[in-house]
Amino acid sequence: KAGVTQTPRYLIKTRGQQVTLSCSPISGHRSVSWYQQTPGQGLQFLFEYFSETQRNKGNFPGRFSGRQFSNSRSEMNVSTLELGDSALYLCASSLAIGGNIETQYFGPGTRLLVL
Amino acid sequence: SQQGEEDPQALSIQEGENATMNCSYKTSINNLQWYRQNSGRGLVHLILIRSNEREKHSGRLRVTLDTSKKSSSLLITASRAADTASYFCATDQGGSEKLVFGKGTKLTVNP
Repeated sequence: KAGVTQTPRYLIKTRGQQVTLSCSPISGHRSVSWYQQTPGQGLQFLFEYFSETQRNKGNFPGRFSGRQFSNSRSEMNVSTLELGDSALYLCASSLAIGGNIETQYFGPGTRLLVL
Repeated sequence: SQQGEEDPQALSIQEGENATMNCSYKTSINNLQWYRQNSGRGLVHLILIRSNEREKHSGRLRVTLDTSKKSSSLLITASRAADTASYFCATDQGGSEKLVFGKGTKLTVNP
């Protein structure tokens, strides 16, 4: 089985722009979670989608949004970019049998640099 | 806020030595997991231990869980240079649909 894929791998944007990141989960996985990783704050949970529904959301401003499609692929969008949004954005998928998340399989991440 | 807190933040050892990392958490959990991250890349799942388990082994990895102390430890035996990475514990906060990660332990294994 192919692993979790994320596109693009690297991205440079300027303040005020918006960005869309894409994640394709492992085939058959219904849960997709997004995380932001920075040296200062570590790994922080953004949101989780299961069967096209957002089930949980972290403490991020409304500029951060996401969605999941019927094929379980997910996108996250960040509008009005700020310098502090520079980070590694990680996507993870899980089988979520019975709706419960256990092992998560991570993609390689998208490294976003905001200038 | 972080649920898991790893200790130490950084650890440097020689090849062949054992490495022990600790994790403490705050709320009840259904399971606790350990992940490894090589420099700036995605995380790799190492092992999952459920709240009703006390110890689990996988190859050179040994994980213990003490729910009364809300703590876990990861032991890597006979370490290799390839084990150099950051190690994170993650908990499910009592069965919620999200994992909460600690800030990690950066392990350096010197050849």
